[in-house]
Amino acid sequence: EVQLVESGGSLVQPGRSLRLSCVASGFRFGDYGMSWVRQTPGKGLEWIGFIRANSYGGTTAYAASVEGRFTISRDDSKSIAYLQMSSLTSEDTAVYFCTRLGGDGTGYYFPFFDHWGQGVLVTVSS
Amino acid sequence: AIQLTQSPSSLSASVGDRVTITCRASQNIDNALAWYQQKPGKAPKLLISDASLLATGFPSRFSGSGYGTAFTLTISSLQPEDFATYYCQQFNNYPPLTFGGGTKVEIK
Repeated sequence: EVQLVESGGSLVQPGRSLRLSCVASGFRFGDYGMSWVRQTPGKGLEWIGFIRANSYGGTTAYAASVEGRFTISRDDSKSIAYLQMSSLTSEDTAVYFCTRLGGDGTGYYFPFFDHWGQGVLVTVSS
Repeated sequence: AIQLTQSPSSLSASVGDRVTITCRASQNIDNALAWYQQKPGKAPKLLISDASLLATGFPSRFSGSGYGTAFTLTISSLQPEDFATYYCQQFNNYPPLTFGGGTKVEIK
């Protein structure tokens, strides 16, 4: 069974940084792209970015709203994906979901989200 | 960025009703559309990919159709467990990957 478990959410002051982690199990982590999606009551679901499998370069792509502030990385040896967030503002307050990109297990990816974690709340406030 | 417009934003329906939700893309996305179901307090679940491919675990009363810019999600006979919010998402042209605003299906 595929499981994605996020951690690291908290209350953080504006301008500060925070790192979220996503521990994956139940599949060959290294063969899949991983992504982060956030949700706010006012803006619905918003894609943040993804990281491809290393067999596809391990490269990343981001939404314009977080480009340059957020970084997605992965540690295939530990089956963990990370979301490093910096220069946080109140606009970043949301529930953050770790997701797995659709794929065939070869590293090739389909950019939709076939499995989701339970989500973790990040609140940016002074 | 490709914009997705869902309609209606909410609807009330009864058990057994046929329900149709529409998702329109601001430009052609071929069949690169996914649908998700989200229940309160839970993460979304992939419901349909490639516009019409039903995800594992969902019953056949759910179906998706469309190509290009117009897509529909149909629930042929609404069941109590189907009351949820449904989102579409395009993956033809990115970044960014984009979602529709959601359609909340409520009990009449």
